[in-house]
Amino acid sequence: DAMVIQNPRYQVTQFGKPVTLSCSQTLNHNVMYWYQQKSSQAPKLLFHYYDKDFNNEADTPDNFQSRRPNTSFCFLDIRSPGLGDAAMYLCATSRGDWRAEFRETQYFGPGTRLLVL
Amino acid sequence: GNSVTQMEGPVTLSEEAFLTINCTYTATGYPSLFWYVQYPGEGLQLLLKATKADDKGSNKGFEATYRKETTSFHLEKGSVQVSDSAVYFCALNPLTFGKGTMLLVSP
Repeated sequence: DAMVIQNPRYQVTQFGKPVTLSCSQTLNHNVMYWYQQKSSQAPKLLFHYYDKDFNNEADTPDNFQSRRPNTSFCFLDIRSPGLGDAAMYLCATSRGDWRAEFRETQYFGPGTRLLVL
Repeated sequence: GNSVTQMEGPVTLSEEAFLTINCTYTATGYPSLFWYVQYPGEGLQLLLKATKADDKGSNKGFEATYRKETTSFHLEKGSVQVSDSAVYFCALNPLTFGKGTMLLVSP
């Protein structure tokens, strides 16, 4: 089945130690998103890739970076995790069309829960 | 900017009760509207969507109608089940989510 896969499901890191979360998809969607979701809150968009074009949200901290080496994979790098970065990180994909920007459904992965010690 | 407002939860119902979760939005243009569901410990799953005014999205007994005149997209289900217990998110043009409404259904 076509899907969005996130690894690992749970990640523990130390304060200040760089960590990378990964996302892959078999849907061949051209748009990929990263969201941060804290407990009992809505997902907050960090950034997205429209094809190879990176789009950062204005309030996303510089501590968060992303890479998309090819259509299938996208990575979230947290350069120096703080205690406040502990959250669920959700990857999503959609089939984007510049004529109907973001009208397409997003498909979400199961998420990676990050714990910062 | 765009925004979505959902009723606060938790919404607590008995099995087979009628469900309404209110959602209103503010946006320019004609956005697509979505309802997503999140079960404990999992990612979001699309429940239903509507892409233009007066469209009705439906899935698994849930329905929502895109009301442009009231800028609303309320979620309804005629008879809820225990397995419907989850958090429901209303979303606008997928990038703007409401805060979510937790639904708890007891037997």
